[in-house]
Amino acid sequence: SQQGEEDPQALSIQEGENATMNCSYKTSINNLQWYRQNSGRGLVHLILIRSNEREKHSGRLRVTLDTSKKSSSLLITASRAADTASYFCATAWGGADGLTFGKGTHLIIQP
Amino acid sequence: DAGVIQSPRHEVTEMGQEVTLRCKPISGHDYLFWYRQTMMRGLELLIYFNNNVPIDDSGMPEDRFSAKMPNASFSTLKIQPSEPRDSAVYFCASAAGTSGNTIYFGEGSWLTVV
Repeated sequence: SQQGEEDPQALSIQEGENATMNCSYKTSINNLQWYRQNSGRGLVHLILIRSNEREKHSGRLRVTLDTSKKSSSLLITASRAADTASYFCATAWGGADGLTFGKGTHLIIQP
Repeated sequence: DAGVIQSPRHEVTEMGQEVTLRCKPISGHDYLFWYRQTMMRGLELLIYFNNNVPIDDSGMPEDRFSAKMPNASFSTLKIQPSEPRDSAVYFCASAAGTSGNTIYFGEGSWLTVV
């Protein structure tokens, strides 16, 4: 399966701390994307990193990609209560047009 | 843009009834996806369309599920007959361009089959 696996499954930190989530996948990819899902809502795209990129930033988000280890990490700096959500990595691989999602990391930011 | 619009947002139905979920993708997007989300299985791709043509329906769980896209602005996912194990959140999503581009999700249809 191409499915990404997020780690940890759940993470609880204090507001202001940094949150790091990891994603591992199994075979070659074209790109890897991170999405956020607030409770009761649809998924929202956060950031896309292509297979030839190693790091990408967007505001308080930093994503790294290590294709040799088939892994990616999402770092959220200076976390806020509004960052409480589930975070999913999704992989896009050759020959398929749909993204394959992991089961997500549930992040709780405690005020 | 209004984003991907799904209806109904919530549906409770009795086992054996027919359920039809509807989706309006973002205008101009040529890919449309139907996903199902459950606690046990996470987010599963059921079927996707490109230019209104079904490309891959290998994720459709069984013959009780069917999906259509009669035109670029409308798609349906039908379950007939419904069973309690079909209870889940069903997401429609759309994307523009080639494989692996950003996917835009609707807010989901929360289905409960009792």
